[in-house]
Amino acid sequence: RKEVEQDPGPFNVPEGATVAFNCTYSNSASQSFFWYRQDCRKEPKLLMSVYSSGNEDGRFTAQLNRASQYISLLIRDSKLSDSATYLCVVNDSGFQKLVFGTGTRLLVSP
Amino acid sequence: NAGVMQNPRHLVRRRGQEARLRCSPVKGHSHVYWYRQLPEEGLKFMVYLQKENIIDESGMPKERFSAEFPKEGPSILRIQQVVRGDSAAYFCASSRGQRGEEPQHFGDGTRLSIL
Repeated sequence: RKEVEQDPGPFNVPEGATVAFNCTYSNSASQSFFWYRQDCRKEPKLLMSVYSSGNEDGRFTAQLNRASQYISLLIRDSKLSDSATYLCVVNDSGFQKLVFGTGTRLLVSP
Repeated sequence: NAGVMQNPRHLVRRRGQEARLRCSPVKGHSHVYWYRQLPEEGLKFMVYLQKENIIDESGMPKERFSAEFPKEGPSILRIQQVVRGDSAAYFCASSRGQRGEEPQHFGDGTRLSIL
């Protein structure tokens, strides 16, 4: 079983749609959780940290369920510029050792 | 822009040669991480360094790969006697602190191609 699992997609949605990505992780001792975004042949960029209480940043909402070891990302009112691969990332220790999922690809069309 | 700087952006080597990848962290960051991304795969942790110290090298292949972060100058990831399977994108990241919730900021990577 992979340490961090994501649906690879692609998710094809029209502009304005709401889309949700899910992610599960295997290590119950994982400490910190993030969503990163990676454009084709570019570096990963931090989208948002994920907290147990859930958090929102504009059109983006992230949720964490520690009991189920499940993380989600909701994107509302999708824009063409949201087209990218979304990486679910878990920090497996008290120190900084990030474990990446393989990513979910999103394609937003006009 | 004082982000993570990696060079070169692209590096081509023949089998058996050495590859040296350089990374300058964000100004003020003393924690550096190297990750490797093989084609169509996710990023994999390789090594975590602080100035002059290797903290965690659990993701480094046992042979041919080494990393350093000297007191002065950039962090270096060195691959000796490269093979075709070393072709990948190598990303460096840095953080201000070592606490797990501190975000890591990534450079734009070095794409290594082995002929």
